[in-house]
Amino acid sequence: KAGVTQTPRYLIKTRGQQVTLSCSPISGHRSVSWYQQTPGQGLQFLFEYFSETQRNKGNFPGRFSGRQFSNSRSEMNVSTLELGDSALYLCASSLRQGRGETQYFGPGTRLLVL
Amino acid sequence: AQKITQTQPGMFVQEKEAVTLDCTYDTSDPSYGLFWYKQPSSGEMIFLIYQGSYDQQNATEGRYSLNFQKARKSANLVISASQLGDSAMYFCAMREGPGNQFYFGTGTSLTVIP
Repeated sequence: KAGVTQTPRYLIKTRGQQVTLSCSPISGHRSVSWYQQTPGQGLQFLFEYFSETQRNKGNFPGRFSGRQFSNSRSEMNVSTLELGDSALYLCASSLRQGRGETQYFGPGTRLLVL
Repeated sequence: AQKITQTQPGMFVQEKEAVTLDCTYDTSDPSYGLFWYKQPSSGEMIFLIYQGSYDQQNATEGRYSLNFQKARKSANLVISASQLGDSAMYFCAMREGPGNQFYFGTGTSLTVIP
């Protein structure tokens, strides 16, 4: 099976712009989660989608939004970019098996805001 | 209170030696899962091992084992016979039952010395 894929891998934007990141989960996985990773704040949960519905949401401003399509692919959008949004954005998909549910991560999108 | 605590920001280990990375967690939910991930400098998060709260035995995956002490709320990762390629950041994570978000610790940077 193909792993989790994320596009683009690298992105440079300027303050005030908006950006859309894409994530394709492992085939058959219905849950997709997004994380922001920075040296200062570590790995922070953004939100999780399951069957096109947002199931959980982290503590991020409304500029951060997401959606999931019927094929489980997910997009994350950040509007009015700020310098502090520069980070590695990781997407993960998961599948419940028995009592366990393991997340598998994509390679990430490195966003630089100038 | 922090859901996941990793108290070792950095660790060093001699090649071929074993090393233990500490992780404690906080939850009142009887059903939860514990995970360990490895993040090399390339940035991708790699799933290593999973332990369910109802599992009677400690999880093992090759050179990785999880020392699960439920009463102490401890889920330490043991890497046996360390290799140079084990140098990376290691994250402990928890999910309190299906449908809930994942919580990650701040990570431990492991350096394997030849």
